[in-house]
Amino acid sequence: DQQVKQNSPSLSVQEGRISILNCDYTNSMFDYFLWYKKYPAEGPTFLISISSIKDKNEDGRFTVFLNKSAKHLSLHIVPSQPGDSAVYFCAASAENYGQNFVFGPGTRLSVLP
Amino acid sequence: GAGVSQSPSNKVTEKGKDVELRCDPISGHTALYWYRQSLGQGLEFLIYFQGNSAPDKSGLPSDRFSAERTGGSVSTLTIQRTQQEDSAVYLCASSPYRTGADGYTFGSGTRLTVV
Repeated sequence: DQQVKQNSPSLSVQEGRISILNCDYTNSMFDYFLWYKKYPAEGPTFLISISSIKDKNEDGRFTVFLNKSAKHLSLHIVPSQPGDSAVYFCAASAENYGQNFVFGPGTRLSVLP
Repeated sequence: GAGVSQSPSNKVTEKGKDVELRCDPISGHTALYWYRQSLGQGLEFLIYFQGNSAPDKSGLPSDRFSAERTGGSVSTLTIQRTQQEDSAVYLCASSPYRTGADGYTFGSGTRLTVV
């Protein structure tokens, strides 16, 4: 049973509009959440994180929202750009170090010019 | 080099053969992780090395999988008697000591296809 779920395998958005990528988790012990971005033939790279003491974290065009009661987080990209086209992975852990991060299956975002 | 290097980038092997995948981490990173991503799945943790400590092998799916890390640097993941379900992208990451996953640097992976 997947502890971290990204139910949309793919998403297409027009350039300039908002992209919203969703992630749900089942383990209530998870306290740290991250988003990674992966281009084809490259390794994933860290994008943004949030800990459970916050419900929002913003970095430029990227904002992550956390709803602990719903065990749900989302990544908003505003405005979306063609260079944002990539696979986005959500990851979660009960502690912010080591090997215990659980990754979701990813959502492929396509930003159309 | 500046990043995590993995080789080969692609490997096609016949069922039943052994394969070795190599990972060269960033110099000075004490932690090294192996993950794999099968089609439609998330990144699945396989094994974790931290300095000279005994590795955490809890993610290895069967005893056909093993990994070693020589001299605290290069790591080799070995899969014996490969099966078709072993087909996946195998990713290696390294990080400084006691860093969260925001500090991981991933390699570009080895795509393994077992035919």
